[in-house]
Amino acid sequence: QVQLVQSGAEGKKPGASVKVSCKASGYPFTDYYMHWVRQAPGQGLEWMGWINTHTGVTLSAQPFQGRLTMTRDTSISTAYMDLSSLKSDDTAMYYCAVADRGYIYGWFHYWGQGTLVTVSS
Amino acid sequence: EIVMTQSPATLSVFPGERASLSCRASQSISTNLAWYQQKPGQAPRLLISDASTRVAGLPARFSGSGSGTEFTLTISSLQSEDFAVYYCQHYHNSLTFGGGTKVEIK
Repeated sequence: QVQLVQSGAEGKKPGASVKVSCKASGYPFTDYYMHWVRQAPGQGLEWMGWINTHTGVTLSAQPFQGRLTMTRDTSISTAYMDLSSLKSDDTAMYYCAVADRGYIYGWFHYWGQGTLVTVSS
Repeated sequence: EIVMTQSPATLSVFPGERASLSCRASQSISTNLAWYQQKPGQAPRLLISDASTRVAGLPARFSGSGSGTEFTLTISSLQSEDFAVYYCQHYHNSLTFGGGTKVEIK
């Protein structure tokens, strides 16, 4: 079955960077785009961007452009999300999710379990 | 950017009653819309794609409708496990989520 397993919780200071991993299994990793979505405490879902897991091409949502780097390692079916210049309002649960259909944009049937990133001095 | 607006923000319903959740897009998205349910401490769970297609195994009390800019998620008879937050999401050449509707016990 499809599984997305994310790395553990992180605590960071303002100005630092964080890198979250998402290991996929149960499907052909390079056939589907991987997206990242975050959720601040008590808030809604915010889409961050996607990576084409076959080519490595990425697109970040406008609020994250210049701070978000998405990469992948196809040899271990793992996607990574690196967010730099962290601020306190980056404190959130970060999710990876696979876009269904094989298109760039679609619905998300499969989600990682989430990685809590806490930014505090 | 297409803005998704959900209403109401909170819906108080008695168990067994019908709940109708609204999602409006700032421009036409055809039927490129999904609905999710999220419970505390859990990742979102996909309920419906393409505005009205239920995921396999979803109880028939959940239904989605609409096209263009107006969409509705209807839960025909609320069960205790249905009290949660519901999000809509468009995927029409981009992707954004609505702000969510919390369905709470009245």
